[in-house]
Amino acid sequence: AQKITQTQPGMFVQEKEAVTLDCTYDTSDQSYGLFWYKQPSSGEMIFLIYQGSYDEQNATEGRYSLNFQKARKSANLVISASQLGDSAMYFCAMRENAGGTSYGKLTFGQGTILTVHP
Amino acid sequence: NAGVTQTPKFQVLKTGQSMTLQCAQDMNHNSMYWYRQDPGMGLRLIYYSASEGTTDKGEVPNGYNVSRLNKREFSLRLESAAPSQTSVYFCASQTGAGELFFGEGSRLTVL
Repeated sequence: AQKITQTQPGMFVQEKEAVTLDCTYDTSDQSYGLFWYKQPSSGEMIFLIYQGSYDEQNATEGRYSLNFQKARKSANLVISASQLGDSAMYFCAMRENAGGTSYGKLTFGQGTILTVHP
Repeated sequence: NAGVTQTPKFQVLKTGQSMTLQCAQDMNHNSMYWYRQDPGMGLRLIYYSASEGTTDKGEVPNGYNVSRLNKREFSLRLESAAPSQTSVYFCASQTGAGELFFGEGSRLTVL
């Protein structure tokens, strides 16, 4: 079974509008972390935002916010006031608790291509 | 601000040739990872190293070997390249919170 599912292969949004990129996850761990990365056409992977499973508040980083619904196992990325430079591939990823150690492998979804129209 | 450095950035191999992808990080992270990225498949973990001296298989380890040479360096070796290994390879190191810092990627083509 897929641990991270991104159901939207592609999304379109008008410049200055908000857009939500969907991510659902599957884990039996109580402690885990959720990440979003951006990959522009140049290919590098850019960290955007992180949400821990015990964090009570939804994470925010500038124009990015993470809509974390633990019971539904979803961690959607919301981008407000979209800009042309937001056009990129976006990946959701999950780190499961690796037996209490400080590291954990990240599992990635298949990604969503976001296109921002002027 | 080097972060994670991968070499080479591009490589073309013939089937059966061998090569090593090099990765070095200067952030004093314990954990390092090798992922491959194929169209429509997202990133898949090949091998990882939780700390210096340890390595473990990820989701797709077949056809690869790794070496954690020291805390800074984690190399990926293809002993006998196959066309199915044509991909973009990313090395990453990990903070204590779990965030990954990625290298710029290495684009490998196997003919």
